[in-house]
Amino acid sequence: QLQLQESGPGLVKPSETLSLTCTVSGGSISSSSYYWGWIRQPPGKGLEWIGSIYYSGSTYYNPSLKSRVTISVDTSKNQFSLKLSSVTAADTAVYYCARHGVLSTVTKTPNWFDPWGQGTLVTVSS
Amino acid sequence: AIRMTQSPSSFSASTGDRVTITCRASQGISSYLAWYQQKPGKAPKLLIYAASTLQSGVPSRFSGSGSGTDFTLTISCLQSEDFATYYCQQYYSYPLTFGQGTKVEIK
Repeated sequence: QLQLQESGPGLVKPSETLSLTCTVSGGSISSSSYYWGWIRQPPGKGLEWIGSIYYSGSTYYNPSLKSRVTISVDTSKNQFSLKLSSVTAADTAVYYCARHGVLSTVTKTPNWFDPWGQGTLVTVSS
Repeated sequence: AIRMTQSPSSFSASTGDRVTITCRASQGISSYLAWYQQKPGKAPKLLIYAASTLQSGVPSRFSGSGSGTDFTLTISCLQSEDFATYYCQQYYSYPLTFGQGTKVEIK
């Protein structure tokens, strides 16, 4: 059974860079059928997709965050990572990693998220 | 970006009720829609994809319908474990976007 687990600091200072890693177990991150994504949820609010990466390193980012986001993959460790720079209090959220498939391995059209990691709360505060 | 709007934002219902949640897309998305259930402190759980296909293991009291811009999630007979927040998500195009959520509370 595929499982995802987020890890990283729970507290980040304003203007610094938030760094999280998602470790995939029970399956290979190098599957041609899937992308690996990050989604966040501010306390008491809804879900926001941050970005996704293919095992080859191909990425898609949310334009609202693109200037601050970098997602990378380490296939040797079966992990992918998120870096969000210049954080402010507005970046305080639970950060989830999740797998999403592609409707076509040629067009890489995305689909739904399943499964998800349990999430990790990152607070931006001095 | 495609905007997803859910209605209502919240409502109260009783066990045994039939409930319907609506999700509207700002442009046509064919059937490229998923529904998730989220309970407090937990990650979202996939319920339905392709607008009407039930994810394996999800009870049959959940159903989805719609295409184009208008979609519904129906719970035919609400159970105690169904009190949660529900989100729709379009995957017609990037950026992937979610509705704002609908909270189903106990009356």
